[in-house]
Amino acid sequence: EAGVTQSPTHLIKTRGQQATLRCSPISGHTSVYWYQQALGLGLQFLLWYDEGEERNRGNFPPRFSGRQFPNYSSELNVNALELEDSALYLCASSFGGNGYTFGSGTRLTVV
Amino acid sequence: GENVEQHPSTLSVQEGDSAVIKCTYSDSASNYFPWYKQELGKGPQLIIDIRSNVGEKKDQRIAVTLNKTAKHFSLHITETQPEDSAVYFCAASNSNSGYALNFGKGTSLLVTP
Repeated sequence: EAGVTQSPTHLIKTRGQQATLRCSPISGHTSVYWYQQALGLGLQFLLWYDEGEERNRGNFPPRFSGRQFPNYSSELNVNALELEDSALYLCASSFGGNGYTFGSGTRLTVV
Repeated sequence: GENVEQHPSTLSVQEGDSAVIKCTYSDSASNYFPWYKQELGKGPQLIIDIRSNVGEKKDQRIAVTLNKTAKHFSLHITETQPEDSAVYFCAASNSNSGYALNFGKGTSLLVTP
């Protein structure tokens, strides 16, 4: 069974641009979670999507947004990129909190 | 919101020794406590978890204990091996927030042969 897949693996953007990151959950999982792992700040919860709706968000500004598609895949959009947005962005999926599994992440570098 | 503290930040043990990592949490509503292992260049991998209705859980060389009254939980790794070297994260969550995980800052474990 395929795990959680994320694309791209690496992304380089210029300050002020927009970045789009994608995540495909494990088959049967309806919840997708996004986390930011920045150096020195650990893993921080960004967003939770379930059944196509945003259910919860962490302490991040509105320029971090996303959506979940009918097939439960998800994308994370980061607008007006800032240098401090450089981080590893991790996606996880679960079904009702069970089988919580992370992907390998997208490394975003803002220059 | 939930605050998870994790100690120590680094831990070095000799192969065959035991390693213990401790975490505390602040939100009494938290009811799910997973532990993750993260190797360089990879996403976190779940190694063991415990729910608040259980005090202890063991899986081969790995065990987790939970003290709900004191709001702390610990990871115990016995008979450590060099391949156990990685960063370990504890987390706490609850069903009300859809199991969004609040992570500790991580422990870098080094097992020397």
